[in-house]
Amino acid sequence: GPKVLQIPSHQIIDMGQMVTLNCDPVSNHLYFYWYKQILGQQMEFLVNFYNGKVMEKSKLFKDQFSVERPDGSYFTLKIQPTALEDSAVYFCASSLELGGNYAEQFFGPGTRLTVL
Amino acid sequence: GDSVTQTEGLVTLTEGLPVMLNCTYQTIYSNPFLFWYVQHLNESPRLLLKSFTDNKRTEHQGFHATLHKSSSSFHLQKSSAQLSDSALYYCALSDRHYNQGKLIFGQGTKLSIKP
Repeated sequence: GPKVLQIPSHQIIDMGQMVTLNCDPVSNHLYFYWYKQILGQQMEFLVNFYNGKVMEKSKLFKDQFSVERPDGSYFTLKIQPTALEDSAVYFCASSLELGGNYAEQFFGPGTRLTVL
Repeated sequence: GDSVTQTEGLVTLTEGLPVMLNCTYQTIYSNPFLFWYVQHLNESPRLLLKSFTDNKRTEHQGFHATLHKSSSSFHLQKSSAQLSDSALYYCALSDRHYNQGKLIFGQGTKLSIKP
């Protein structure tokens, strides 16, 4: 079936540094999402993105976070600067539609971010 | 706010026995859309079942669930567990017509099937 890829699978960085998480969504999908999962907790919505713009963001999407998808390439989540509490697994997802039968979100395998 | 509750963190069963994973939700949405995602070890979460129709059973790959709006539940069931069913199962909530596609997840249930 359709696959979402995430690069890298694991990233270790020092607190205060910048990090960019990359997502290669399903090729014909139009809507893109990031979710955050702290160890032992549920996945939580961060942000979704359509037509070059953020549609909705949660309170977890701090000012240090940004997303973009320049020229249809990777959908990226940038954190600058990082903080210890940013350590988590970040899942990217994409969907063809928002509602209806094609609203299924396809998830990537996640990027495990460790901030030291 | 809106939330999804999965009461069991870990369910351990012997192969061949029935499976039932609980999912209840709270929402202000008038048209809740419920999902079950499954995540096998070292794989991405993938959609297993979805429903927005009250009291209608939905089935896929031997699993089934029925959305009951009266009790705000969407329990996942299977008549006979297989070893390959061992995985993490997430129940999730969205709104069919609103909320920009955001999924609200439960904590997840780890299903472990033993021979």
